Amino acid sequence: AQSVSQHNHHVILSEAASLELGCNYSYGGTVNLFWYVQYPGQHLQLLLKYFSGDPLVKGIKGFEAEFIKSKFSFNLRKPSVQWSDTAEYFCAVRGYNQGGKLIFGQGTELSVKP
Amino acid sequence: NAGVTQTPKFQVLKTGQSMTLQCAQDMNHEYMSWYRQDPGMGLRLIHYSVGAGITDQGEVPNGYNVSRSTTEDFPLRLLSAAPSQTSVYFCASRRTGWDQPQHFGDGTRLSIL
Repeated sequence: AQSVSQHNHHVILSEAASLELGCNYSYGGTVNLFWYVQYPGQHLQLLLKYFSGDPLVKGIKGFEAEFIKSKFSFNLRKPSVQWSDTAEYFCAVRGYNQGGKLIFGQGTELSVKP
Repeated sequence: NAGVTQTPKFQVLKTGQSMTLQCAQDMNHEYMSWYRQDPGMGLRLIHYSVGAGITDQGEVPNGYNVSRSTTEDFPLRLLSAAPSQTSVYFCASRRTGWDQPQHFGDGTRLSIL
């Protein structure tokens, strides 16, 4: 079965600081990987996704993530965060031949101080 | 475009009551799913459906039933509500296909007293 682990539960940064949120998954086969963001009181929105090809994927709002297959990781990065990036971030995995199920990590709450 | 519509947005129930959370999508998506979101636990998959007439269990199916009589609708039923089912519930849909992203509804905040 597939599972996802996000290492950081709550991250606090100042504006302009760099961000890296860790995500590791467990599944031995081919995977799709996703990062979603949830702003306070809103539903989840897709930040970026990896299906195949270039392991460095770029998403919206200046976010990017790197798929490292050997480490089963898909860490999210942003060079310079803004106050408006305050939100909860979820990593998710969909394993091939797993019925199409999308499994989420526990989430990381990001607070950016102005 | 309405996208994924969930009703109600808020609900308070007493222990033992039954209730149906509604989910409808107008994008002709084959795949639909229900998640619950709890602090520190992320989103956990309750049930999902790959098409009309087909449903399957996710990670936390106990206490919930689903049916999929049409492509558009995927209701979630709580047969006998328990305080442990207090949560925010999200419905999601997508097209069948390896590269298709999920579209989420706005959520239903459910409190069981």
